[in-house]
Amino acid sequence: EAGVAQSPRYKIIEKRQSVAFWCNPISGHATLYWYQQILGQGPKLLIQFQNNGVVDDSQLPKDRFSAERLKGVDSTLKIQPAKLEDSAVYLCASSRLSYYEQYFGPGTRLTVT
Amino acid sequence: KQEVTQIPAALSVPEGENLVLNCSFTDSAIYNLQWFRQDPGKGLTSLLLIQSSQREQTSGRLNASLDKSSGRSTLYIAASQPGDSATYLCAVHETGANNLFFGTGTRLTVIP
Repeated sequence: EAGVAQSPRYKIIEKRQSVAFWCNPISGHATLYWYQQILGQGPKLLIQFQNNGVVDDSQLPKDRFSAERLKGVDSTLKIQPAKLEDSAVYLCASSRLSYYEQYFGPGTRLTVT
Repeated sequence: KQEVTQIPAALSVPEGENLVLNCSFTDSAIYNLQWFRQDPGKGLTSLLLIQSSQREQTSGRLNASLDKSSGRSTLYIAASQPGDSATYLCAVHETGANNLFFGTGTRLTVIP
C-alpha cells in the first residue's frame, strides 16, 4: 500500500510570511496526526483528527497555526504569520484508528529566516 | 506528565556487534510502545510495536522488550550493519491519551 504523502518537502520563508503543508494519509486510515519536530528533539503532537473531526489540538498554537481535514482524507496545516521558532520538520502520520500503529510521512522541513 | 528518556544519546559500534538501546518512561499506564527509525532528513519508519500486554516483539534482527511495571523498554539489534546507522526513537501511547510521547532518540553509528 502507498505510504503517507507530504508536500512540499522543503520550504524556506521569511518571518511573518505564511506557509501551508499538505498531507495525504494511507488509504482507509481514519486517524491523522500532525507533529512538529525541532532539531535534536522527538516529535511533538500539534493536532489529531479522527475522520474530519478534531480529537486533540491542545498543543497547537492557535493564534498562528490552523489545520483542517476536509472530507476525512487529505489535511492541510497552515502557519500565519511564521516566527523564527517555527523552524522545524513537520511530520504527518496516520493510523487505522487511535491507538493503532502510526505510519509517518517523509516530513516537510521548514526554515524561517 | 509522561516523560520518555533514551540513553545513550549517541552510540558508535563496529560492524557485527550486538547492541541494546534503552528507553524509559515515567507513567506505566500505557497502551503500547513503538520503536521508530529516523534517517537524516527523512520521516520516521515504524520498526516494532509492543502492546502493553506483551513482553516482546521480534522482527528480523530486531527484538524489542517491554517491562511496563518498571517503565522500561529495550531494542536489541543483532549483528549490526552500517545500514543500521540512524536515530532510533521510542514512543509510548498513554492509556487515555491521544498521542505518542517521544523520547529524544539514540543516534547509532555502525562503523564498517
